[in-house]
Amino acid sequence: QQPVQSPQAVILREGEDAVINCSSSKALYSVHWYRQKHGEAPVFLMILLKGGEQKGHDKISASFNEKKQQSSLYLTASQLSYSGTYFCGTENWAAGNKLTFGGGTRVLVKP
Amino acid sequence: GAVVSQHPSWVICKSGTSVKIECRSLDFQATTMFWYRQFPKQSLMLMATSNEGSKATYEQGVEKDKFLINHASLTLSTLTVTSAHPEDSSFYICSALGLAGVVTDTQYFGPGTRLTVL
Repeated sequence: QQPVQSPQAVILREGEDAVINCSSSKALYSVHWYRQKHGEAPVFLMILLKGGEQKGHDKISASFNEKKQQSSLYLTASQLSYSGTYFCGTENWAAGNKLTFGGGTRVLVKP
Repeated sequence: GAVVSQHPSWVICKSGTSVKIECRSLDFQATTMFWYRQFPKQSLMLMATSNEGSKATYEQGVEKDKFLINHASLTLSTLTVTSAHPEDSSFYICSALGLAGVVTDTQYFGPGTRLTVL
């Protein structure tokens, strides 16, 4: 079953922060975050493997709450280059490296 | 590192013809590759898992006779859309999973192939 992402879309001014959530109805082994620009392939941002793990990539960070079966992606002091669609991909214990992607969150950062 | 290429990047074909799409891992070996399709403004939907040297595993609802997958080597997987129809028009993306210890646990995506069937 597809994880649920929220919000579906968000518009930010440059320098503002945003949080994207990803929730699953299944117990998760890992959560992967990707960003996709229009007409391009998704680009890997980060993977979270352990409950409670937090990671950062530039000013983009993420956390993984294993018990709640959810992950959040934090965009801090957003830059114009952060615009795109963010997808979480979840892997459950029976999946064997298969990822199920959420519906995506469209982010537009304006000057 | 971890570069995946796809060829062609863009193809237009007539209804009824077959189209082959190649996916290559350029700087690492991938025992497993995945094929996705993505409709405009929608998420990536997994079509099949391709394992080197064995038959692909298809997701429910994906016709294996229509979408032929061959994973001939540790760096190449191909997807052939047979007897393509306009409803097969989509953005097809592959990803490659590295061998453990190299780029483990992470799928790296190719740039995608946009297929338009007239």
